Amino acid sequence: RKEVEQDPGPFNVPEGATVAFNCTYSNSASQSFFWYRQDCRKEPKLLMSVYSSGNEDGRFTAQLNRASQYISLLIRDSKLSDSATYLCVVNKGSARQLTFGSGTQLTVLP
Amino acid sequence: NAGVTQTPKFRILKIGQSMTLQCTQDMNHNYMYWYRQDPGMGLKLIYYSVGAGITDKGEVPNGYNVSRSTTEDFPLRLELAAPSQTSVYFCACSPILAREQYFGPGTRLTVT
Repeated sequence: RKEVEQDPGPFNVPEGATVAFNCTYSNSASQSFFWYRQDCRKEPKLLMSVYSSGNEDGRFTAQLNRASQYISLLIRDSKLSDSATYLCVVNKGSARQLTFGSGTQLTVLP
Repeated sequence: NAGVTQTPKFRILKIGQSMTLQCTQDMNHNYMYWYRQDPGMGLKLIYYSVGAGITDKGEVPNGYNVSRSTTEDFPLRLELAAPSQTSVYFCACSPILAREQYFGPGTRLTVT
C-alpha cells in the first residue's frame, strides 16, 4: 500500500460547482497533514494545514478522519483559477520527513 | 523578500557530466530539503538539512550529494549524471521540521 494515496483524476467541473478530494494515508502515527496546490510546471504551494477538528479557509474546507486514516478537501463555488493539481501531504509519524501524494488534477470549466 | 531561489531554471547534461544545483533562502529557516518530481509522481525527498553543517539522507539519495555551510544555502551536487536523474528538482525550507514547507521554483534537468 502506498504511504499516501490520491485519486489522480482528472476532475472536470463547471464553474460554481462543489468538488471534494479524498486522500488516504497508511502510517497511523502521522501527526501533520497538509494540502498543497501545484500549478502546471510550477512549484507546490501550501494551500492549508489540516487540523483534527477540521478547518475552513474561505471556500476551502479540510477534514481529517484519524480512525479511517483519510483527509479530505472540499472546494465550494469553484473558480477557473482553482484549476491545478492538489497534493495531499502527510508527515511520516516520528520521522523527519513529509510524504507527498501524486496529486489530484482539477480543471474548472467555464 | 525573495523566499527560496533556485538556479539554473533549466539544464541539459550529457551522461557522465556533473553539476551543482543552487538553492538559497532568505526566510531564515533552519530546515532545508531537496526533492525530485518525476512526471505524474509525487515528490521524493533526496536530502535534507536541519541546520548549517548537518545533513541527512532522504528516500532517494543515490547519485547526489549535499552540503550546508550556511543557513541560507543548500546546494545539491550531481556526480556522473545518468538518464534516470532527468527530473524536476525542488528545494524547500521550513521553520519547523516536517511541517509546512516553502518551495523554490524548481530546476528542470534533462540528462541525455
